[in-house]
Parts: sequence; C-alpha cells; structure tokens
Amino acid sequence: DAGVIQSPRHEVTEMGQEVTLRCKPISGHDYLFWYRQTMMRGLELLIYFNNNVPIDDSGMPEDRFSAKMPNASFSTLKIQPSEPRDSAVYFCASTATGAGEQYFGPGTRLTVT
Amino acid sequence: AQKITQTQPGMFVQEKEAVTLDCTYDTSDPSYGLFWYKQPSSGEMIFLIYQGSYDQQNATEGRYSLNFQKARKSANLVISASQLGDSAMYFCAMSPYYGGSQGNLIFGKGTKLSVKP
Repeated sequence: DAGVIQSPRHEVTEMGQEVTLRCKPISGHDYLFWYRQTMMRGLELLIYFNNNVPIDDSGMPEDRFSAKMPNASFSTLKIQPSEPRDSAVYFCASTATGAGEQYFGPGTRLTVT
Repeated sequence: AQKITQTQPGMFVQEKEAVTLDCTYDTSDPSYGLFWYKQPSSGEMIFLIYQGSYDQQNATEGRYSLNFQKARKSANLVISASQLGDSAMYFCAMSPYYGGSQGNLIFGKGTKLSVKP
C-alpha cells in the first residue's frame, strides 16, 4: 500500500512568489494534518481536516497561508506571498478514526530566498 | 494546555547497550495517547510505539518499550540492544484521544540519539 504522498519533495522559491504544496493521504483515512518543522519551533500543527472539512486552523500563521481539501484523496497548502521565514519542512499526515498513529508523508523542504 | 517535555537534547549510547529516552507530559484530561516517532537524517517520521492512558501494561514493539508511569506523567522510551541504525532524532508526542490520533499531536523538542560502534 502506498503511504502518504507529498509533492514536491523540495521547493526553492523567491520571496513574494506563490508556493503550493500537495498531499495525497492514505486511502480510507478520514483525517488529514499539515505540520511544519523548523529548528526554532519544532513540529507544530498548522491545520487539520476531518472528512475534507477543516476542523482546527488555529496553527496557520497568518492570512498568507491557506489550505484546502477538495476531496478525500487530495489536499493543498498554499503560501502567498512567500517569505524567507516560511522556510521549513512541511509534513502531511493522515489517520483513520480510532486507528492509532498518524502516518506521515516524506515532507516537502521549502526554501524561500 | 497539553505539553510534552523532552529534557535530553542529545544522548550517546554504545552499540548493543540499552538506552532510555525521557519524556514527561502535562494534561488534565483523563483520556490521551502517547506516541514515539523516530526521525532519521533522511527526514521521514517513523512511528515506533503507542501507549493509551487507560492501558494497564507498558507497550512493547520489538526492541522498543514504553515505560509508562502515569502518576509521574512520564512515558520514557527504552531501546534495547542499540544498533547503529538507531541513530536519529526521537520525538515524544501526545494526542488528546485514547485509542487514536485524530486530534492534534503535540510534539516534544526531540532527543538526538547517537549510537557509537
């Protein structure tokens, strides 16, 4: 079975550009999470969805960040405009109700110059 | 608010020896789950072991065991017979749900384990 799929794996962009990160959760999972990992702040939740509906977006830094889940097999995290402080590894994770652990994707390493 | 504390930024262990990674947590909820993840230098997050707040016995998964002391609010990871491939960052995390992780996982800052040959 395929795990959580994220694309791209690496993204380098210039400040002010729009960045879109993509995630395909494990089939059958009804929860999807977006995390960000930095040296300073560690791993922190940005937003999560249940059955494609955003449940908690309190971790989204500011209006420059937006996330969507148009269907059960796809989600995007968009940053517009990007800033150097957005440089981080962004993880997508999924799980099913009562199933145990969250399964993480390989992450997208974003560098904003 | 829930919080996870890992007080050991880095640790060394000799190959084939056992090592304990510390994790303390803070929550006022009776239902919660505790997780350990491994993050090797390649960057992926690998699930290791889970302990639910109502579980009576300590969880074990192969060479990994979780020393769960509820009264002390600690959930230490024990790795037996360390291998060179165990060198990685280890994260303790807590979910506000027992039996699953459908809510936000709160992560500690992590412990970097280095296994010496």
